[in-house]
Amino acid sequence: EAGVVQSPRYKIIEKKQPVAFWCNPISGHNTLYWYLQNLGQGPELLIRYENEEAVDDSQLPKDRFSAERLKGVDSTLKIQPAELGDSAVYLCASSIISGAGELFFGEGSRLTVL
Amino acid sequence: DAKTTQPNSMESNEEEPVHLPCNHSTISGTDYIHWYRQLPSQGPEYVIHGLTSNVNNRMASLAIAEDRKSSTLILHRATLRDAAVYYCILRDPQGGSEKLVFGKGTKLTVNP
Repeated sequence: EAGVVQSPRYKIIEKKQPVAFWCNPISGHNTLYWYLQNLGQGPELLIRYENEEAVDDSQLPKDRFSAERLKGVDSTLKIQPAELGDSAVYLCASSIISGAGELFFGEGSRLTVL
Repeated sequence: DAKTTQPNSMESNEEEPVHLPCNHSTISGTDYIHWYRQLPSQGPEYVIHGLTSNVNNRMASLAIAEDRKSSTLILHRATLRDAAVYYCILRDPQGGSEKLVFGKGTKLTVNP
């Protein structure tokens, strides 16, 4: 069974440029999460989806970050414009159900903003 | 969100047991104790979880204190592939907010 797939693995951009990350969760997993991980820190939740509905986006900086999961399957996280402080790893995870199910994480997308 | 406290780092020798501690003194009655680990350049992966009783699986064992204010992840025979950051996390399946809050975790170094 394929795991959570993320792309790109690495992205280097100039500040003020836009960037987008894509995530394809495990088939049948209704819950999808985007996490941000800064160097030396644990992951921090940005947004959680139940199917196509964003049920927790309280930690998403909405002035520059946006996310969508239009058909309740794959998802895109966008940053526009990127800032130097956005350099981090962006992790996507999915689970069958929210609350108790094991989370399966992708390998992450490492963003470097110059 | 209830918090957990873990040592920043620990060292072990290959093929020896490793006991990774976690304190969670503010744990609620419905919080499950979850452990995830993150290998270098990988996303976190699930290790084990429990509520009150000790748990075993193919990866590790979880020993939970009787008052549930602390727990210990036990790797019975550490291998070099177990070198990772280990996160102890509290999750409430009945809670309305599913954040799965990660701390900084414990970085485990395994010496050959």
